Amino acid sequence: NAGVTQTPKFQVLKTGQSMTLQCAQDMNHNSMYWYRQDPGMGLRLIYYSASEGTTDKGEVPNGYNVSRLNKREFSLRLESAAPSQTSVYFCASRPGTDYGYTFGSGTRLTVV
Amino acid sequence: KNEVEQSPQNLTAQEGEFITINCSYSVGISALHWLQQHPGGGIVSLFMLSSGKKKHGRLIATINIQEKHSSLHITASHPRDSAVYICAVIASGGSNYKLTFGKGTLLTVNP
Repeated sequence: NAGVTQTPKFQVLKTGQSMTLQCAQDMNHNSMYWYRQDPGMGLRLIYYSASEGTTDKGEVPNGYNVSRLNKREFSLRLESAAPSQTSVYFCASRPGTDYGYTFGSGTRLTVV
Repeated sequence: KNEVEQSPQNLTAQEGEFITINCSYSVGISALHWLQQHPGGGIVSLFMLSSGKKKHGRLIATINIQEKHSSLHITASHPRDSAVYICAVIASGGSNYKLTFGKGTLLTVNP
């Protein structure tokens, strides 16, 4: 089915380990986003990519890096995971700023 | 104070009832979004509004720009409507890519 695919769905990391969260969309959307969701905090924007070849910081970018590999794929990397990065991560995309969002199913990350 | 406030935080209804969820915001906006997050965690975009009213099935969203207020209505509610409903705004004059989210309203519809 068309949509936003995130991998993995669950991950447990030890403090200091690195990992990359993958996101791919097959809807030819221009903009892509990474959010984290924490209890009591709501969704917060980590990074976004307005179009292929561009990335920009969101509200909480520290400790993360992103790559817009092509129009389809937008990955989020944790270079040295910390317990504070325990969260549920959502990738989203949309065709342009006049449209709603399509979200992936989320990645539940635990850093111990 | 959060820029986007939702009320109520929790809402329990009986099947068939008319539901209203409110969203107030303190900044000028260029657009407002309503999202639904299912108990399993998936998030669905319901509406994007910049003025007036939109309807999709049993869902109706309205916005009053002057009063900085939006409402999401559900007619003839059903247990499958049980979810967290999230309001989010794009501040005017800011990035069109940055949403500011409310903390959500947990709706439970009992059969």
